Amino acid sequence: GAVVSQHPSRVICKSGTSVKIECRSLDFQATTMFWYRQFPKQSLMLMATSNEGSKATYEQGVEKDKFLINHASLTLSTLTVTSAHPEDSSFYICSARDTALSTEAFFGQGTRLTVV
Amino acid sequence: RKEVEQDPGPFNVPEGATVAFNCTYSNSASQSFFWYRQDCRKEPKLLMSVYSSGNEDGRFTAQLNRASQYISLLIRDSKLSDSATYLCVVTNAGKSTFGDGTTLTVKP
Repeated sequence: GAVVSQHPSRVICKSGTSVKIECRSLDFQATTMFWYRQFPKQSLMLMATSNEGSKATYEQGVEKDKFLINHASLTLSTLTVTSAHPEDSSFYICSARDTALSTEAFFGQGTRLTVV
Repeated sequence: RKEVEQDPGPFNVPEGATVAFNCTYSNSASQSFFWYRQDCRKEPKLLMSVYSSGNEDGRFTAQLNRASQYISLLIRDSKLSDSATYLCVVTNAGKSTFGDGTTLTVKP
């Protein structure tokens, strides 16, 4: 099946610093990628839809200036958590939609962010 | 009302039991349906797709009823390794909406 690589898998950072998470589709082109987060004991919630070459679409309640998304190529989207705070500690996961298979989306391995 | 609703669980069953999970979705335009499995603190992994004609994979059977907007997952002969959280996922144009998940614990 299609492979989506997400990096890093785990990161600990200090409060106030920024963290960048990468999501790569390794064997297919992805014009659209999605970013989700999961707080403890909760389900995954869509944060934003990342479109190659254009601005991301953010879900209600997600601060676009805090969670910067860049989708500069058909195989890479990045999520930068700026000025991270402890409440941003969460499990972040991306999925990439295969352009050739309009309904399929494949998930990365996820990134566990801990802000101390 | 949530877009995707699942049995609240948790389900605690003995090995060898048969267990069924249910899920309903509100968006009638939804295109694709899946069951994912998520182990503690790990990424969700695709268990199986769900079709109107039914989909069986070994001990797992998934069913979709579009008219009732209802999805089910049946696990037969439960194993200890089946213990996990099962997520009902409804996808539209690649965008996935997750249920809250149902936790299954299979005990010896």
